[in-house]
Amino acid sequence: AQTVTQSQPEMSVQEAETVTLSCTYDTSENNYYLFWYKQPPSRQMILVIRQEAYKQQNATENRFSVNFQKAAKSFSLKISDSQLGDTAMYFCAFMRSNFGNEKLTFGTGTRLTIIP
Amino acid sequence: DTAVSQTPKYLVTQMGNDKSIKCEQNLGHDTMYWYKQDSKKFLKIMFSYNNKELIINETVPNRFSPKSPDKAHLNLHINSLELGDSAVYFCASSQVGATSDFGSGTRLTVV
Repeated sequence: AQTVTQSQPEMSVQEAETVTLSCTYDTSENNYYLFWYKQPPSRQMILVIRQEAYKQQNATENRFSVNFQKAAKSFSLKISDSQLGDTAMYFCAFMRSNFGNEKLTFGTGTRLTIIP
Repeated sequence: DTAVSQTPKYLVTQMGNDKSIKCEQNLGHDTMYWYKQDSKKFLKIMFSYNNKELIINETVPNRFSPKSPDKAHLNLHINSLELGDSAVYFCASSQVGATSDFGSGTRLTVV
């Protein structure tokens, strides 16, 4: 079974600073997918970024980037130039394959607060 | 035009009642899911259906019964509601090569 661990229950950072959220996972699979989802107070689950394990290049989406270390089974999210709208719960998630019928396994989340 | 829509958004009901939550997706995805988010914000899979066929059933009490009349709809019926069923329930859908899209959630409160 896969497990996802987020060791930082809460974090806070000043607006415009950079923050890194940690995530580690455990799996015996070689091909899999990793995700970061954002859940603002509106409770909508919003995809932030996605990484395919077979890709060596780290995924980036504007101010969001990941540091994917496959051997260490680590998948951290870096938010640059943080904005007030980044305040939310952030969930790291694992999917075993991309056949379209696999479940997401989530970490326990990190509550991020951006301070004005 | 909402991709994954679930209704109702809020549901308050008494213990022992039976209730349903409906979900529809207009993305043409083959797989639909129900996830439960508890009071500590932990998200966990409950069920998944692929093209109307049950694929995943994660040790959910049999008071919970999903029904998929077609691949665009996945409803969740809950019998004999208990206090511990209070949570946010998310519907989601996915397709080969795509990322899961989530509905906006249904906050169920059992009193």
